[in-house]
Amino acid sequence: DTGVSQNPRHKITKRGQNVTFRCDPISEHNRLYWYRQTLGQGPEFLTYFQNEAQLEKSRLLSDRFSAERPKGSFSTLEIQRTEQGDSAMYLCASSLGINTDTQYFGPGTRLTVL
Amino acid sequence: GENVEQHPSTLSVQEGDSAVIKCTYSDSASNYFPWYKQELGKRPQLIIDIRSNVGEKKDQRIAVTLNKTAKHFSLHITETQPEDSAVYFCAARDQGSKIIFGSGTRLSIRP
Repeated sequence: DTGVSQNPRHKITKRGQNVTFRCDPISEHNRLYWYRQTLGQGPEFLTYFQNEAQLEKSRLLSDRFSAERPKGSFSTLEIQRTEQGDSAMYLCASSLGINTDTQYFGPGTRLTVL
Repeated sequence: GENVEQHPSTLSVQEGDSAVIKCTYSDSASNYFPWYKQELGKRPQLIIDIRSNVGEKKDQRIAVTLNKTAKHFSLHITETQPEDSAVYFCAARDQGSKIIFGSGTRLSIRP
């Protein structure tokens, strides 16, 4: 499968625990995006990377959230001290780069915080 | 920053009829407008997109129109089929590379 992949697909955690999600973009895609989607809403932008550089981060993003893309390939999104309000689907997308806009989404990681 | 408004939030049409979904955006510098279809429990999938230098684009039963002056863009689906039932999202790319999504339209096709 050469599409965007995400792991795990589902994560259940207790409030206060830390969680980490992984995204593997389509090979050779330079840009990688993280979104959060809650029921009945559109994907909400969290952050994006151009290769290993994190170029933009949503102002709405709590400092409990951090993302990395250390080698410009896969990316991780960590949420520290999870809260019930963090329960959502976390989507990753990738695109070739500046002159190619099309973003391809992964299947998402569904987080449930108890 | 960019803000995208989408309506209606739900739409029910008879199979074979047309469906129209409308969106507005706030940032006049936005230059790329994709539309995504999301079926229940699945990832969003791009169905069509349009750039600001084009007023209309068509792909089989799907067409998108863009009015830059009014900052409106619309999705038109003709000859609707049961498999068109899904949630549709419009989106706009801001001056950087961030894509802002609308809140979605749940389209139901009545047999």
